[in-house]
Amino acid sequence: DQQVKQNSPSLSVQEGRISILNCDYTNSMFDYFLWYKKYPAEGPTFLISISSIKDKNEDGRFTVFLNKSAKHLSLHIVPSQPGDSAVYFCAASGGSNYKLTFGKGTLLTVNP
Amino acid sequence: NAGVMQNPRHLVRRRGQEARLRCSPMKGHSHVYWYRQLPEEGLKFMVYLQKENIIDESGMPKERFSAEFPKEGPSILRIQQVVRGDSAAYFCASYLRRTDTQYFGPGTRLTVL
Repeated sequence: DQQVKQNSPSLSVQEGRISILNCDYTNSMFDYFLWYKKYPAEGPTFLISISSIKDKNEDGRFTVFLNKSAKHLSLHIVPSQPGDSAVYFCAASGGSNYKLTFGKGTLLTVNP
Repeated sequence: NAGVMQNPRHLVRRRGQEARLRCSPMKGHSHVYWYRQLPEEGLKFMVYLQKENIIDESGMPKERFSAEFPKEGPSILRIQQVVRGDSAAYFCASYLRRTDTQYFGPGTRLTVL
């Protein structure tokens, strides 16, 4: 029962171009969504989040879009940099205990 | 990740031994979550604790696993009689309600021989 799905295991883009990472969810109770970045042998690092009352949140090169009717969110990174190469996890929470449900991650490779 | 500490970073145990994983949350945070990541998988929620209380343990296996977060000291995830299937990365996260964000530690990589 995968409530958060990242259907692309990997993505490769050229430096300077836009990276778009996608995430779908099935649980209508989710009301808060987060993106984390993870390097090998390290813990996930928080990137950006969005509440279900919004459809867009922007922080520097990172923008997250939320389409509630489609139960879909995406992370845009522009311009992409080689240092962005990592695994990106989409996560969602709902309810009072704020536990996170994660997707399986997408490996982003930004080529110089 | 700054501020959330986990130790040890790597732990090797033989089948049947006990594993103890420690997590010190960020200063001022009194909520701790434990997650497990199996190879090629995302992180899976295990347990949510506040100081001296288990709030949600719905992700914990029914046997051999326990967790605590005492009034003083770190949170402990304890796995008794480890089996090879327990080999995974275990992450803790501390949470500050004001920011609605969980901040993760570097993880403990458990290997069961």
